Amino acid sequence: GQNIDQPTEMTATEGAIVQINCTYQTSGFNGLFWYQQHAGEAPTFLSYNVLDGLEEKGRFSSFLSRSKGYSYLLLKELQMKDSASYLCAVLTSNYQLIWGAGTKLIIKP
Amino acid sequence: SAVISQKPSRDICQRGTSLTIQCQVDSQVTMMFWYRQQPGQSLTLIATANQGSEATYESGFVIDKFPISRPNLTFSTLTVSNMSPEDSSIYLCSVSKLGQDYNEQFFGPGTRLTVL
Repeated sequence: GQNIDQPTEMTATEGAIVQINCTYQTSGFNGLFWYQQHAGEAPTFLSYNVLDGLEEKGRFSSFLSRSKGYSYLLLKELQMKDSASYLCAVLTSNYQLIWGAGTKLIIKP
Repeated sequence: SAVISQKPSRDICQRGTSLTIQCQVDSQVTMMFWYRQQPGQSLTLIATANQGSEATYESGFVIDKFPISRPNLTFSTLTVSNMSPEDSSIYLCSVSKLGQDYNEQFFGPGTRLTVL
């Protein structure tokens, strides 16, 4: 079967760093996405990884290890507006997008 | 990128009735998808809307309950038929364009449906 695992909820402090992990087992792999979703809003694209390594984009970075079926999203200098759910999704070999359940990130002052 | 609009943005419906949700994109796209998102849950793919042919439904979803149309490359509709309170959810349209470096999906704002 196909499976994506992420922690259900995480809490972090404003100004700190948080790492959200995602592990996956899918039929083939054509890339991994991270999306951000604020409560009551649609998901918005954050990052895409298809090769191993770290992709940095401002305060957000995403890492991928294909051999381990593992990715993480790193958020630095946390702001209150970063409170949201973060969704990991894998694009399979037939271009189907498999979604994780999402990680709710709570930022405290 | 793509700008997507959905109508209605929200509705409250009676049990047994049907609601049609529209999804309009500002440019031609290859793939259009319909998702359902229950409160506090992640996205569940209902079906892929195919232009000019029948939609491809995921396990647990059938055409009689969720008929889908896609008459062209910028527009699709999802109908939620014979509604029950269990159908209360957010319904999201998303699109992607094959041929890009990667197949990012862009999401519409969603339709919040409450069935009484």
